[in-house]
Amino acid sequence: QSALTQPVSVSGSPGQSITISCIGTNTDIGGYKYVSWYQLKPGKAPKLVIFEVSIRPSGVSNRFSGSKSGNTASLAISGLRAEDEADYYCSSYRTSSAALFVFGTGTKVTVL
Amino acid sequence: EVQLVQSGAEVKKPGESLKISCNGSEYRFETYWIGWVRQMPGKGLEWMGIINPSNSDTTYSPSFEGQVTISADKSIKTAYLQWSSLKASDTAMYYCARGNKFPGMNAFDIWGLGTMVTVSS
Repeated sequence: QSALTQPVSVSGSPGQSITISCIGTNTDIGGYKYVSWYQLKPGKAPKLVIFEVSIRPSGVSNRFSGSKSGNTASLAISGLRAEDEADYYCSSYRTSSAALFVFGTGTKVTVL
Repeated sequence: EVQLVQSGAEVKKPGESLKISCNGSEYRFETYWIGWVRQMPGKGLEWMGIINPSNSDTTYSPSFEGQVTISADKSIKTAYLQWSSLKASDTAMYYCARGNKFPGMNAFDIWGLGTMVTVSS
């Protein structure tokens, strides 16, 4: 199953804004509004931060926002904080002979 | 608090069988899909498959079909992931996660802490 493409790493200073891209195809990101984003920290359960492209689950900070244009989805984090340092994965529903859902390659966010 | 509690870490030898579990609490277990996700050491997340606990309807990723079995027992609110013959390449962290909507889930909204499986001779 070919994964969605994300940058390996993104960094920013506290208070800055960063954006993580997630590139797919017209059989996944481009074809559906079913993009989600997950935050992974060592020793903790992964956390859903965005679903259906731009919806924040209850309890997720409004510093996190999602968007999509064509085959590319993006996660933006504004007002960067030390606690945002984590790995972030995008995911999308996919129609093809491959898996029903696909994850991105993952991005390490570092707060400088 | 809604949560998924996974069974503890396992160390196995190649060729052995294994069944790990995922217990849901504080929600109606049978009305949400449960999925399994693999993360090999130093690698990214991989979607393995999902199960509908109410009727055990299961969908696998082609990469995992035939390699693992996903099952569920709604009476004890538990989903399972099992192997009949482990390989060293099965060494990974395995997460269970709850689908966010039913019947048409499009994300995983609750995750377990993961079960680390190590396969080594």
